[in-house]
Amino acid sequence: SQQGEEDPQALSIQEGENATMNCSYKTSINNLQWYRQNSGRGLVHLILIRSNEREKHSGRLRVTLDTSKKSSSLLITASRAADTASYFCATVFDMDTGRRALTFGSGTRLQVQP
Amino acid sequence: GAGVSQSPSNKVTEKGKDVELRCDPISGHTALYWYRQSLGQGLEFLIYFQGNSAPDKSGLPSDRFSAERTGGSVSTLTIQRTQQEDSAVYLCASSLLGQGPRNTIYFGEGSWLTVV
Repeated sequence: SQQGEEDPQALSIQEGENATMNCSYKTSINNLQWYRQNSGRGLVHLILIRSNEREKHSGRLRVTLDTSKKSSSLLITASRAADTASYFCATVFDMDTGRRALTFGSGTRLQVQP
Repeated sequence: GAGVSQSPSNKVTEKGKDVELRCDPISGHTALYWYRQSLGQGLEFLIYFQGNSAPDKSGLPSDRFSAERTGGSVSTLTIQRTQQEDSAVYLCASSLLGQGPRNTIYFGEGSWLTVV
């Protein structure tokens, strides 16, 4: 199963509204990252939050991390049609398996209606 | 190069044929990753190269899949005796030093493989 699971799987909102996406994970992590993917092609790194951080901002993005609940949220404020994309959370976990590579969830498909 | 370059962008192959997918990472990046993404799904980790260390092959789905990285730079992902379930986008990524918190991973545009 995926290490990170995003919720909801799909989200449709109007321009100007806020979009909130959630991610849950299973194992201990070093950091959690959020990526954006347009049209099923390459991913673009959005923001990284370390395991000892609780909240981080970047422009219209706000990420929170709750390690006790093993969950993170990505908030996009004042959404724009250009924000339409799939958003993935990814974690690095090497505590249990020794794997040192990003593991991605299934993603949230965000549709922002103009 | 300026970014991670992958080729071919699209590949249609007949079931049972072998395919090779190429990844040219960002110059100087020591870490290289391969992921697979089926239509509408998340990314599935395949393999990870870091410098001269033994690669992490734990994500390769079967022995039909193999990858190598020559000279610490270009990588080739080979799929032998392709099956229809191999149809997916294969994404390559690289980063400067691996998995530390400061190391952003940069993705290529992917190679879309269709097995007919």
